[in-house]
Amino acid sequence: AQSVSQHNHHVILSEAASLELGCNYSYGGTVNLFWYVQYPGQHLQLLLKYFSGDPLVKGIKGFEAEFIKSKFSFNLRKPSVQWSDTAEYFCAVNQAGTALIFGKGTTLSVSS
Amino acid sequence: NAGVTQTPKFQVLKTGQSMTLQCAQDMNHNSMYWYRQDPGMGLRLIYYSASEGTTDKGEVPNGYNVSRLNKREFSLRLESAAPSQTSVYFCASSEAGGLGANVLTFGAGSRLTVL
Repeated sequence: AQSVSQHNHHVILSEAASLELGCNYSYGGTVNLFWYVQYPGQHLQLLLKYFSGDPLVKGIKGFEAEFIKSKFSFNLRKPSVQWSDTAEYFCAVNQAGTALIFGKGTTLSVSS
Repeated sequence: NAGVTQTPKFQVLKTGQSMTLQCAQDMNHNSMYWYRQDPGMGLRLIYYSASEGTTDKGEVPNGYNVSRLNKREFSLRLESAAPSQTSVYFCASSEAGGLGANVLTFGAGSRLTVL
């Protein structure tokens, strides 16, 4: 079965530290890739997406992600995190004709 | 612009009771979805409707039924609630019909507790 794996369940960082959250998927062929974020008490919001083209994608709030097809990965990065980045982050993947499947999520806690 | 609206926000049920979660979107989106979110499990797709008049099962459909009442509304029904259905339920919609490169817009969630 197709699956999405997020390697880190809980990441704890200090402000200004760099962030990288891993995401791997098991699909073959062309994929659509997403990162969603859920801030405390809020609903999920789109952080960034990749459909085609430049594999380095820039999203909101200084986040970026790189699609590496050979590694089936779509890791999320941010050079310098802020306290306001504390949230749960979800990687999601689908292909044409299939519904979006989410990873189990990574909780990011940033201390000021 | 309200986006995706879910009701109720909170509900407590006893085992065996039934209830319906309502979802409506005002963005003229074609596709609608129901997910459940459980700690450590992420979001799992229950049912989806790729277009008005169609519904399909997702990863975890057992114990649920859905109705795509019209283009705006997509309801989720629990016929006989079980404690395992205690969860936060999210409705979402996307502009594109069918499934594919769709960006989902989520509602605020409905927290359901089954005793």
